[in-house]
Amino acid sequence: GAVVSQHPSWVICKSGTSVKIECRSLDFQATTMFWYRQFPKQSLMLMATSNEGSKATYEQGVEKDKFLINHASLTLSTLTVTSAHPEDSSFYICSAKTGSLSGANVLTFGAGSRLTVL
Amino acid sequence: RKEVEQDPGPFNVPEGATVAFNCTYSNSASQSFFWYRQDCRKEPKLLMSVYSSGNEDGRFTAQLNRASQYISLLIRDSKLSDSATYLCHASKLTFGTGTRLQVTL
Repeated sequence: GAVVSQHPSWVICKSGTSVKIECRSLDFQATTMFWYRQFPKQSLMLMATSNEGSKATYEQGVEKDKFLINHASLTLSTLTVTSAHPEDSSFYICSAKTGSLSGANVLTFGAGSRLTVL
Repeated sequence: RKEVEQDPGPFNVPEGATVAFNCTYSNSASQSFFWYRQDCRKEPKLLMSVYSSGNEDGRFTAQLNRASQYISLLIRDSKLSDSATYLCHASKLTFGTGTRLQVTL
C-alpha cells in the first residue's frame, strides 16, 4: 500500500531555533498533503493544506509566517517551525490522500514528528 | 459546538466484551465518515469507512445515523490488541478528539 514517510520522528531543539520536518510520499505522487498538530490527549488539528507548486492554505488561527510550508515537488512537502518556543512542542503529523471510498478521500498518515522545544 | 465530538473515555472493558463508541457531527452536509485507530505515540491508521447502510469488517461494525447525526463503532469480542484511541473522521478533514479504549484481562 501507499506509504508516507515523515522525518525526523523526534527532535529536541532550543527555543528560538527553526526546525524542518519532511513528509514524503513513497511510490506515489501527492499533489496535496495535510499537516496536523496533536497535543497530548487531544485530537488532530489540521494546520494547513499543502499544495504542490502553490501556496499552502492555512487554517484559521495558524500563523503562516511561523509554520512555513513548502511543497516543491509531487513527493515532498516540508513544514518549518520558525523561532520555535516551548508552546510549539507537539506531535506534528502529515498525511496525503491515497485513495477513495464512495467518493470520499482516504488519508494515509506519516509516522509523525515529536517536537520538544527547550 | 465542535464539528465532531466524541466521548474521550477511557473505556475500560474486559477481554471478550462488546463495546460501542459514538461520534456526533454538526455539519449535516457531511458526506463521508471514517474510523481511524491511533496507538499511543503513533500515527492514525484507517480502520474502516462508514456507509449509510452500515458495514461490518470482522469484529467491527460501523453505522451511520443521519437523522441524529452520529456514527458508531461496535467492537465485538474485544482483544487486548484492540486497546487504542479511536478517532472518527468526518468530511472536510475534521477529526473527533478520539475515544480511548483499554481492554483488560
